Amino acid sequence: LAKTTQPISMDSYEGQEVNITCSHNNIATNDYITWYQQFPSQGPRFIIQGYKTKVTNEVASLFIPADRKSSTLSLPRVSLSDTAVYYCLDSGGYQKVTFGTGTKLQVIP
Amino acid sequence: GAVVSQHPSWVICKSGTSVKIECRSLDFQATTMFWYRQFPKQSLMLMATSNEGSKATYEQGVEKDKFLINHASLTLSTLTVTSAHPEDSSFYICSAEGTGSRSTPSYGYTFGSGTRLTVV
Repeated sequence: LAKTTQPISMDSYEGQEVNITCSHNNIATNDYITWYQQFPSQGPRFIIQGYKTKVTNEVASLFIPADRKSSTLSLPRVSLSDTAVYYCLDSGGYQKVTFGTGTKLQVIP
Repeated sequence: GAVVSQHPSWVICKSGTSVKIECRSLDFQATTMFWYRQFPKQSLMLMATSNEGSKATYEQGVEKDKFLINHASLTLSTLTVTSAHPEDSSFYICSAEGTGSRSTPSYGYTFGSGTRLTVV
């Protein structure tokens, strides 16, 4: 069983900010929260990782509340090329990782 | 750094033949690699954990005699699909834990680009 739960799909217009939330109900103390992006026929690509509070890089922000039971990936001003499946994972490393359903983001012109 | 190279990117084979897929960690060593398969419009499903120098650990329901995994060095794991059948057609992806660049997580996994296997 997957450790995380997230919406199966989302639609957004170009230029809007998109927030995708993930539930981490079974997260362990030493687990990090990681988000990946996957395009069709490609392997998942790392987007961002955090442990708590807020992390920002050049492509996204990650918000993690104090209880770490959820996380929110924020994509600013999405474009058509952001249409993809987004996966949230929690893992402490050197452990096998089970993927959830992922969220299929469709960006609309 | 921390690039995982997977080869081939696609392969077509005849039913009953075997196919080998390679997963290499470039510029880092990976004592553990993971193999996934993904059917169209579905999520990644973990098949097995590949451990350098020891036997792989397979997930429940995955036939170890059909999906042979060899992890003979710290930079190479191979998945061989033996006696392939059309139902084995899928997208196979490997991953390894590697760090060292902005494109990889500090704690977590880097994925290969995947191999599309079509059995005819």
